[in-house]
Amino acid sequence: AQTVTQSQPEMSVQEAETVTLSCTYDTSESDYYLFWYKQPPSRQMILVIRQEAYKQQNATENRFSVNFQKAAKSFSLKISDSQLGDAAMYFCAYRSAVTYNTDKLIFGTGTRLQVFP
Amino acid sequence: EPEVTQTPSHQVTQMGQEVILRCVPISNHLYFYWYRQILGQKVEFLVSFYNNEISEKSEIFDDQFSVERPDGSNFTLKIRSTKLEDSAMYFCASRGLAVYNEQFFGPGTRLTVL
Repeated sequence: AQTVTQSQPEMSVQEAETVTLSCTYDTSESDYYLFWYKQPPSRQMILVIRQEAYKQQNATENRFSVNFQKAAKSFSLKISDSQLGDAAMYFCAYRSAVTYNTDKLIFGTGTRLQVFP
Repeated sequence: EPEVTQTPSHQVTQMGQEVILRCVPISNHLYFYWYRQILGQKVEFLVSFYNNEISEKSEIFDDQFSVERPDGSNFTLKIRSTKLEDSAMYFCASRGLAVYNEQFFGPGTRLTVL
């Protein structure tokens, strides 16, 4: 069974600085998707960024980028130029890409990010 | 921009009562999901639904739970006899046909069982 591990329960960053959130996962599959979701105090789950495992290039979305290391099964999220609005819980998630297999999201335990002015 | 909606935003019920949580997925989506998040814990998969039947369910999704798409637009989660431990945030999600499509989440329903 696949598992997702986020080893940092809490992180903090100064506004305008850069922070990296860690995520590792375990799977025997070769084709899958990885996601970072943001959950602000409103508790809505918002997709931040996604990565397809077959792509070697790391995904980027504006100030958000990932460092995807497939062999190491590592998927970290880098937030550049941090803003106060980035303060939230961040969840790493895994999803199989095999069509006949499950397509449920498997979430990590989350990292709470605080942003200080 | 299309979005997933959920009602109610907060439901309070007595232990043993039945509750129905409602979701309206994005209109052209075909895959539907329920997840739950107990306060302070991670988000857990409950069930996926496609073509009017359950595709997969987790161990949490026991006989007390059921899902239905009663009218082609709503997607409901019913808990027949609520327990204290059912208190959680329940999220509905939906996605389009292609396997690479992402799941879009609704804002959640906070269920409190007293």
